[in-house]
Amino acid sequence: AQSVTQLDSQVPVFEEAPVELRCNYSSSVSVYLFWYVQYPNQGLQLLLKYLSGSTLVKGINGFEAEFNKSQTSFHLRKPSVHISDTAEYFCAVSESGNTDKLIFGTGTRLQVFP
Amino acid sequence: EPEVTQTPSHQVTQMGQEVILRCVPISNHLYFYWYRQILGQKVEFLVSFYNNEISEKSEIFDDQFSVERPDGSNFTLKIRSTKLEDSAMYFCASTMGPTIYSTDTQYFGPGTRLTVL
Repeated sequence: AQSVTQLDSQVPVFEEAPVELRCNYSSSVSVYLFWYVQYPNQGLQLLLKYLSGSTLVKGINGFEAEFNKSQTSFHLRKPSVHISDTAEYFCAVSESGNTDKLIFGTGTRLQVFP
Repeated sequence: EPEVTQTPSHQVTQMGQEVILRCVPISNHLYFYWYRQILGQKVEFLVSFYNNEISEKSEIFDDQFSVERPDGSNFTLKIRSTKLEDSAMYFCASTMGPTIYSTDTQYFGPGTRLTVL
């Protein structure tokens, strides 16, 4: 069965510092990978996704993620965060070619301090 | 930019009561989903719906749950007899094509917080 692990429940960081939010997954088949962000009182918004091709994926708001098949990871990075990046970030996977459902991690709360 | 909307934003109900959570997907989307997130836990898939039929459902989605697209715009989740453990944030999502075959992604609504007393 598929599962997603986000080891860090909270990540505090100062403004303009780099950040990495970790995501590891387990699956016996090929997967699609996603990062969603949830701002307070809003829905889940897609940041970026990996379906195939280049393992480095660029998304909105300056975020990027790298798919590493050997380490079954899909870590999210941003070289310089802003106060407005404070939000909950969710990693998700779906089993390619078989099902629509997304399997989510528990989320990481990114708190950016001035 | 088109968005998925959900009403109400917060629903409080007594245990055993029926609730209907409403969603308006993006207008040209054809695939619809419900997820839920119990406080402090993962977002969990409940059900997917296409062409007026359930495509897939999780083990959470038992006989107490049902979904319906009563008209061309709404997509509803009904819980017949709510339990305390149904308290959660419920998210609706929609997409134009099935995620497995296309580059479409699931667009999520802001959620309905259901509190069962």
